[in-house]
Amino acid sequence: DGGITQSPKYLFRKEGQNVTLSCEQNLNHDAMYWYRQDPGQGLRLIYYSQIVNDFQKGDIAEGYSVSREKKESFPLTVTSAQKNPTAFYLCASSIKMPSGSLYEQYFGPGTRLTVT
Amino acid sequence: EDKVVQSPLSLVVHEGDTVTLNCSYEVTNFRSLLWYKQEKKAPTFLFMLTSSGIEKKSGRLSSILDKKELFSILNITATQTGDSAVYLCAVNEKSGSARQLTFGSGTQLTVLP
Repeated sequence: DGGITQSPKYLFRKEGQNVTLSCEQNLNHDAMYWYRQDPGQGLRLIYYSQIVNDFQKGDIAEGYSVSREKKESFPLTVTSAQKNPTAFYLCASSIKMPSGSLYEQYFGPGTRLTVT
Repeated sequence: EDKVVQSPLSLVVHEGDTVTLNCSYEVTNFRSLLWYKQEKKAPTFLFMLTSSGIEKKSGRLSSILDKKELFSILNITATQTGDSAVYLCAVNEKSGSARQLTFGSGTQLTVLP
């Protein structure tokens, strides 16, 4: 089965601790993304990566870090510097055409992070 | 300033009703507009619209784009309780990078039996 997996589904952490959210895809997609969703709001882009070993900040990158060592994997670390880390985190991937155009993004099931 | 604005924010209807969801946008180099349905977890892709005036249709759902007036609508006819979800609109801008999906805040649709 092809798709995007995120783990864990629910995550609880104490304030001040770093936590890493997993995102894996076997769709052979080039581009991968991390979004954050807060209640009543749309998705806000944290980081994105077009190719292995390359990634760019999105709109709300402060307090987060990522790596892209393999095409299939794009883990997100929520650091203690993130002021309001409690949120629903969604990972997505898409095919990137040679022209640079973007096909639709496919989303993973999400990780709900609660920091107390 | 919001680049993608959806309305209404929430909507409650009864089964069998027809609903129209709106998405207006303001971007510099428009490439496409996408609609997603989000039930509890991952948004699922519905439509991608790139050309003005051409309706995309899938069953009871349809969508159309007006590039002159910078908006899109999503229509759902004969609504069912399974249509209850948040409907997200996103706009893709032309750029050298792959990042450009800007999402609206969504419309929460509730369909009552």
